[in-house]
Amino acid sequence: AQSVTQLGSHVSVSEGALVLLRCNYSSSVPPYLFWYVQYPNQGLQLLLKYTSAATLVKGINGFEAEFKKSETSFHLTKPSAHMSDAAEYFCAVYYNDYKLSFGAGTTVTVRA
Amino acid sequence: NAGVMQNPRHLVRRRGQEARLRCSPMKGHSHVYWYRQLPEEGLKFMVYLQKENIIDESGMPKERFSAEFPKEGPSILRIQQVVRGDSAAYFCASSLRVGDSYEQYFGPGTRLTVT
Repeated sequence: AQSVTQLGSHVSVSEGALVLLRCNYSSSVPPYLFWYVQYPNQGLQLLLKYTSAATLVKGINGFEAEFKKSETSFHLTKPSAHMSDAAEYFCAVYYNDYKLSFGAGTTVTVRA
Repeated sequence: NAGVMQNPRHLVRRRGQEARLRCSPMKGHSHVYWYRQLPEEGLKFMVYLQKENIIDESGMPKERFSAEFPKEGPSILRIQQVVRGDSAAYFCASSLRVGDSYEQYFGPGTRLTVT
């Protein structure tokens, strides 16, 4: 089954430091890829998406992700973490079968 | 433009009772998807519905769970005879048309607690 793997269930960064969240997908056919953010007790908010256009995708709140077919990766980065970035982040993949398949999530904590 | 709405936001049921979760898609959207998020896990697809039709229910447990999306009114996810293992957050998403199924907009979720 097609799937997506997020490396690291918890990431802790200092305020102002680089945020790097890793996501790898399993398929020889490039899918559509997404990053979502979930704040406590809230729904999912779309950060950014890759739909086979530019491989470097810019999203909201200063986040961006790069699609690398050779590495089957779609890692999420933000150059400078802010306290408000503390949340859970989900990578998801879409293979044209109506459903999104989500990774297990990465919880980000930001240290002052 | 109102987003996807779900109610109730929190639901507490005793074992053996029924849970009914409601989802109103975004205005103009006729495609609805239900996902379940168990504690410490990502979201798992349950069912995809269009108005009056179940398109894909491959993620639904075979027993006790059912979903509908009537011609009028919200989509309903129904869980009969709930058990502790049903405790989870249930999210609804909607999309405008089948060609845009990857553009899913999520509601705030219903958090079900079974005591």
